[in-house]
Amino acid sequence: RKEVEQDPGPFNVPEGATVAFNCTYSNSASQSFFWYRQDCRKEPKLLMSVYSSGNEDGRFTAQLNRASQYISLLIRDSKLSDSATYLCVVRNTGNQFYFGTGTSLTVIP
Amino acid sequence: DTAVSQTPKYLVTQMGNDKSIKCEQNLGHDTMYWYKQDSKKFLKIMFSYNNKELIINETVPNRFSPKSPDKAHLNLHINSLELGDSAVYFCASSPLGAGGLNEQFFGPGTRLTVL
Repeated sequence: RKEVEQDPGPFNVPEGATVAFNCTYSNSASQSFFWYRQDCRKEPKLLMSVYSSGNEDGRFTAQLNRASQYISLLIRDSKLSDSATYLCVVRNTGNQFYFGTGTSLTVIP
Repeated sequence: DTAVSQTPKYLVTQMGNDKSIKCEQNLGHDTMYWYKQDSKKFLKIMFSYNNKELIINETVPNRFSPKSPDKAHLNLHINSLELGDSAVYFCASSPLGAGGLNEQFFGPGTRLTVL
């Protein structure tokens, strides 16, 4: 079983739409959770960390459900510039990071 | 200032050759990593290393070896290159701590093509 599982998509949504990505992780002892964004032919970059109580950063909202081992990312009012691959990332003990396969998002004018 | 840098950015070489990719971080982080991203875009951890411990993904062939001259550098050496080694290799670093969110910072990647 993979450490982190994501729906690969692709998600094609119109500008202004709301889109949600989901992710599950297998290790209940996982310590930290993140969403990264990767643009084509670029390195992954941190979009936001995911806090236990959930957190929001502008149009982006992240949620964590430790009981279900589930992480989500909600993007409201999608912009063309949001088109990218979104990676769910989990950090376990020993500073080991595990990446999901990524979910591809294309925002259409 | 570049936080995590890699050289070269592109590397084209013949099968059977030996090559190295260099990585440097100026963030003062304790742990450095190498990832491989293949054509299917999956980021696979190859190694993680701090000044005390090397953790190797058991699926990585022993033709791949990390070399760390100091805390700020983790180079990747590859022997007897094969066609299947063609991929983008990312270096990353993160601080080591029992708590906190401790995210990873990535280098720009090295695109390796084996002919």
